[in-house]
Amino acid sequence: GQNIDQPTEMTATEGAIVQINCTYQTSGFNGLFWYQQHAGEAPTFLSYNVLDGLEEKGRFSSFLSRSKGYSYLLLKELQMKDSASYLCAADVGNTPLVFGKGTRLSVIA
Amino acid sequence: ETGVTQTPRHLVMGMTNKKSLKCEQHLGHNAMYWYKQSAKKPLELMFVYSLEERVENNSVPSRFSPECPNSSHLFLHLHTLQPEDSALYLCASSQDGGFSEAFFGQGTRLTVV
Repeated sequence: GQNIDQPTEMTATEGAIVQINCTYQTSGFNGLFWYQQHAGEAPTFLSYNVLDGLEEKGRFSSFLSRSKGYSYLLLKELQMKDSASYLCAADVGNTPLVFGKGTRLSVIA
Repeated sequence: ETGVTQTPRHLVMGMTNKKSLKCEQHLGHNAMYWYKQSAKKPLELMFVYSLEERVENNSVPSRFSPECPNSSHLFLHLHTLQPEDSALYLCASSQDGGFSEAFFGQGTRLTVV
């Protein structure tokens, strides 16, 4: 079976750092996506990790550990506009992405 | 512009109505998808079309009927829906049938009354 777990909700303060975790148990695995989705809008691509380690892209970084079935998205210098849902999705091969339920992040002043 | 356009953005329909959702992608992709997003649930894959052939149908009720006339257009025909079908319906496309990054449309917010 395919299972993706991530926290339902998180709250963090403007200017702070927040880490959103994602664990996965899948039959087959090529890599892990992170998407950002603002309320009422389409998901937009943030990152795709294939190899273990941390990949940094501006204020956002994504980490993957294949052996542990674990990933996280790190957001630095939080801004109010970062309030959104963050979706973790596994690329399991010849079928479309398997999505988690998403983590709703609220950034407060 | 996202490259994937969905219409309408919002739709309210009665349980006896027939309506269609439309999706168009301008990215030259070969695969298109319909997803359903309900509150507090994962994105649920409904249908996959690759090179205009349906390759996956995840046990979706027959009241949802997809159509893919060409690689750029995808429709979801709706009839005799139930209130629990109210959700955000997202269209997505990708270069191939699963490995590459998916690009999403803005979604259609459907309310069944």
